[in-house]
Amino acid sequence: DAGVIQSPRHEVTEMGQEVTLRCKPISGHNSLFWYRQTMMRGLELLIYFNNNVPIDDSGMPEDRFSAKMPNASFSTLKIQPSEPRDSAVYFCASSTLQGTGNTIYFGEGSWLTVV
Amino acid sequence: TQLLEQSPQFLSIQEGENLTVYCNSSSVFSSLQWYRQEPGEGPVLLVTVVTGGEVKKLKRLTFQFGDARKDSSLHITAAQPGDTGLYLCAVGSGNTGKLIFGQGTTLQVKP
Repeated sequence: DAGVIQSPRHEVTEMGQEVTLRCKPISGHNSLFWYRQTMMRGLELLIYFNNNVPIDDSGMPEDRFSAKMPNASFSTLKIQPSEPRDSAVYFCASSTLQGTGNTIYFGEGSWLTVV
Repeated sequence: TQLLEQSPQFLSIQEGENLTVYCNSSSVFSSLQWYRQEPGEGPVLLVTVVTGGEVKKLKRLTFQFGDARKDSSLHITAAQPGDTGLYLCAVGSGNTGKLIFGQGTTLQVKP
């Protein structure tokens, strides 16, 4: 079975440019999560969707960040305009909502560097 | 303030040594999970503990959930270089499916 698929794996962009990160969750999973990981702050939840609907975006750092999930098999995280402090690894993850003991499956991450 | 405090932050040991890492909180949880993240990859679930006092074993790894369900420990016996990675504990937020992670313990096992 294919896992969570993210693209691009690596992106280097200049400050001010728009960045779009893409995610294909595991088929049949109804929850999708975007996390950001940095050395300083660890793994932070940015936003998550249940059945394609955004449920909690309180972790989205600023209005420069936006996420969409137009259908059950695709999501994007967009940063516009990007800044050097956005440099991090961005993980997409998916799961089936089970309540207690939910298992989340992570993609391999998108390594973003903003110069 | 972190919901989950993991300690130590970094640990570097020789192959064959034993070690324990901790995940602590002042809150009570219905369940707690441990993940391992290897360099360049996403975290992968190791175990879920649900019952206070529960002990689960995964080969050389022993996981324990505190009696009060506020803390957990991970003990590795005879560590191997393949155990190197970032160990993260995580808890769910109600029945939302959302997981909150600790900062992690970075383990390096030297041959």
